[in-house]
Amino acid sequence: EAQVTQNPRYLITVTGKKLTVTCSQNMNHEYMSWYRQDPGLGLRQIYYSMNVEVTDKGDVPEGYKVSRKEKRNFPLILESPSPNQTSLYFCASRVQGKAYGYTFGSGTRLTVV
Amino acid sequence: GNSVTQMEGPVTLSEEAFLTINCTYTATGYPSLFWYVQYPGEGLQLLLKATKADDKGSNKGFEATYRKETTSFHLEKGSVQVSDSAVYFCALSDPTGGYNKLIFGAGTRLAVHP
Repeated sequence: EAQVTQNPRYLITVTGKKLTVTCSQNMNHEYMSWYRQDPGLGLRQIYYSMNVEVTDKGDVPEGYKVSRKEKRNFPLILESPSPNQTSLYFCASRVQGKAYGYTFGSGTRLTVV
Repeated sequence: GNSVTQMEGPVTLSEEAFLTINCTYTATGYPSLFWYVQYPGEGLQLLLKATKADDKGSNKGFEATYRKETTSFHLEKGSVQVSDSAVYFCALSDPTGGYNKLIFGAGTRLAVHP
């Protein structure tokens, strides 16, 4: 089944403790992206990657890091999480090109206390 | 900059009622437009899309027409079901960044009652 897999689904952590949210897709998509979803704000892009070793900032990149060493994986790293990073996170992938929509993962609900 | 504005929810309807969720956008160039749906506890699913003016996207009884003259992409369905209860997001694919960025509206929650 074609899908984007995120782990974990739920995570509670403490301020300052480094964490990684994994994302993997099995569709050979070139393009991957991370979004965060907050009430009343819709989804905002954190980082995106157009292919292996090619990443760029989205609208809200502060406090996050990403890497794209393999085509299928695009982990999101929070080096020193803070409470304002409490949110619902989605990874997504798609084929390059204007006509293609995203396939989204099921989401990771992160709480930083 | 580019942006998407959706009507605020929640929208509450009875089963078999007609649905319209308004969406307008601001963009330079010629964006692609999308509607995504998010069911409770799930990720977003692509509902329909349109990539040029006057295109009509359709899926599962939902329709939306890309109107460049009014910069709109309103979502419609002739007869909603309880199973359509979800949050609906309008989005545009930003042409200025090579269509690499997807800009979302804030979402509209739809609740359909029997």
